Amino acid sequence: RKEVEQDPGPFNVPEGATVAFNCTYSNSASQSFFWYRQDCRKEPKLLMSVYSSGNEDGRFTAQLNRASQYISLLIRDSKLSDSATYLCVVNTGRRALTFGSGTRLQVQP
Amino acid sequence: EPEVTQTPSHQVTQMGQEVILRCVPISNHLYFYWYRQILGQKVEFLVSFYNNEISEKSEIFDDQFSVERPDGSNFTLKIRSTKLEDSAMYFCASSETSLYNEQFFGPGTRLTVL
Repeated sequence: RKEVEQDPGPFNVPEGATVAFNCTYSNSASQSFFWYRQDCRKEPKLLMSVYSSGNEDGRFTAQLNRASQYISLLIRDSKLSDSATYLCVVNTGRRALTFGSGTRLQVQP
Repeated sequence: EPEVTQTPSHQVTQMGQEVILRCVPISNHLYFYWYRQILGQKVEFLVSFYNNEISEKSEIFDDQFSVERPDGSNFTLKIRSTKLEDSAMYFCASSETSLYNEQFFGPGTRLTVL
């Protein structure tokens, strides 16, 4: 089983749509969780950390379900500029981050 | 906003040559990392560095690789005797002493081994 598993997509959605990405992780000892976004041939940029109680940052909402080892990201009112690859990332208590392969989002006008 | 910087942005080298990739982490950060991303693949951890020593390394980080913090600002990755399969994007990252270990990435160095 992959350490961090994501649907690769692509998700093609119209502007203004709500889209959700899911991610599962295999290591139950994982302690920190993040969503990063990566534009083509650019560095990963931290979008948000994911906390146990769930958290929101503007149009973005992240949820964590430790029992199911599942993380989600919801994007409301999609913008063209949201088009990117969204990376689910976990940290297992040591400092290395383990990345998923990413889910590609294409927001269309 | 403080950011991680990396040089060069693109490095082309011949197989068997040595390369040094350079990074300047965010100034108040204490943990430094190198990751790589082969084209079309996921980001992979190479090594973490704290208090002037390696704190963790992956299986990829073999004797061909070394890291150094030669002064108070730079953090380098040396790859000896490069191989074709070392061609990748190499990202440097840094983090504060944060419980949540939020890591901030530099723009990367694209290494092409011919």
